[in-house]
Order: sequence, then C-alpha cells, then structure tokens
Amino acid sequence: DAGITQSPRHKVTETGTPVTLRCHQTENHRYMYWYRQDPGHGLRLIHYSYGVKDTDKGEVSDGYSVSRSKTEDFLLTLESATSSQTSVYFCAITRAGRQETQYFGPGTRLLVL
Amino acid sequence: QKEVEQDPGPLSVPEGAIVSLNCTYSNSAFQYFMWYRQYSRKGPELLMYTYSSGNKEDGRFTAQVDKSSKYISLFIRDSQPSDSATYLCAMIRGAQKLVFGQGTRLTINP
Repeated sequence: DAGITQSPRHKVTETGTPVTLRCHQTENHRYMYWYRQDPGHGLRLIHYSYGVKDTDKGEVSDGYSVSRSKTEDFLLTLESATSSQTSVYFCAITRAGRQETQYFGPGTRLLVL
Repeated sequence: QKEVEQDPGPLSVPEGAIVSLNCTYSNSAFQYFMWYRQYSRKGPELLMYTYSSGNKEDGRFTAQVDKSSKYISLFIRDSQPSDSATYLCAMIRGAQKLVFGQGTRLTINP
C-alpha cells in the first residue's frame, strides 16, 4: 500500500459532461502521475506532476487537464467526456524521486455513455 | 511498431511449473526495467526492477535483462495459483517516462 487513494472508484457519465478524478496521497511524495489502462495498450501516461503547480504532458494528454494545488492531491479533469475516454484510470507516485519505483493506486473505472 | 512488445497471452501452466514472461523493446535509450503484477480489478504492484544487463533474483522471481538483444524476462519458479495475474513489463527512457508493455495474462492451474 503506497498510501494512495483514488475517488471515485467507479463512475458512469454521459458524453459531453465534465468529470474530475481525484488522487490523494499521504506520504508527501513530490512526483505524481495519471495513467489510463485499456485492453491492447497497457498503461499509458496522461499527465504527471513534479511539484505543486508543476505539471507536464504525457503521451495521451489530449482531452485531459490536471491540477495540483497541494502536495497531496492531483486532479485529472475531462473537460467534456467522450466515449473514447472510457477506461480505467490509475494514479501513481514515485518514492524518493526514483522513477524505477512507481507505485499505483487502486484505480477508477470510468464509463462514458 | 510499439516501443515495448509483450505477448498478451493468455498463458496457462500447471502449478509448480517454471514460467517465463518476456518483453522486447526497440529503443536502446531505455535504462531501467521493471516488472509489475496486477490482479484483477487492482492497481499494478511493483515486483522488481533492474538497471543493467544480467539477473536479479527475489525469492521465486528472477528478472533478466539482455540489453544487447533488447530483451527482458521474468522467471517464476515453483509457480503457485496465487501467481495468477497479469504481468506488465515497463521501462524508463528519459525523466519521468515509463513505457509499459500491454501485459501478459497468466493462469496457474492447481
């Protein structure tokens, strides 16, 4: 357990609605990540953060935005959800800045109808 | 062509067998190599990571890296039903950028 919680754990929404997913960590880690996992694609990086208010894009960032106003919270927002964003979303942290030791949260299952 | 290729399986073996899971990669810039285990409806769990070519052992698990062939493996000895999961390889190129294989689904039959 890496002290990561994600909320909500499950969500069903409609196309065109905004959706915000929350990742919360209790261990004061600097680096946080959002991934999505889809069949045939494995895990793909959406956005990551290397500190409060410091974020950068990953390989599949289109249609997503992030914010980090506190060390412990990293928010992922789908401004206008589309069916192609139906996926399982995972948050991860890195301990001691070591990228080879990323630890994942339990995931959020999102269904966009 | 994907940067990291992993046979999705599924792979089914009897309990006690030695399991070999593999990934190939195309980018020689990858430096660190990781293996994650993911149970159904759970987040990935870091099993092992290695930096250089060679072997690294942890209990029943051995990770092997061959940089010259761009090939990594995970061996599981004395496999148990509790090892049934999806196994994902992952690699790092540059700062902050993990690249994952698509995962191999493994079932160990009692």
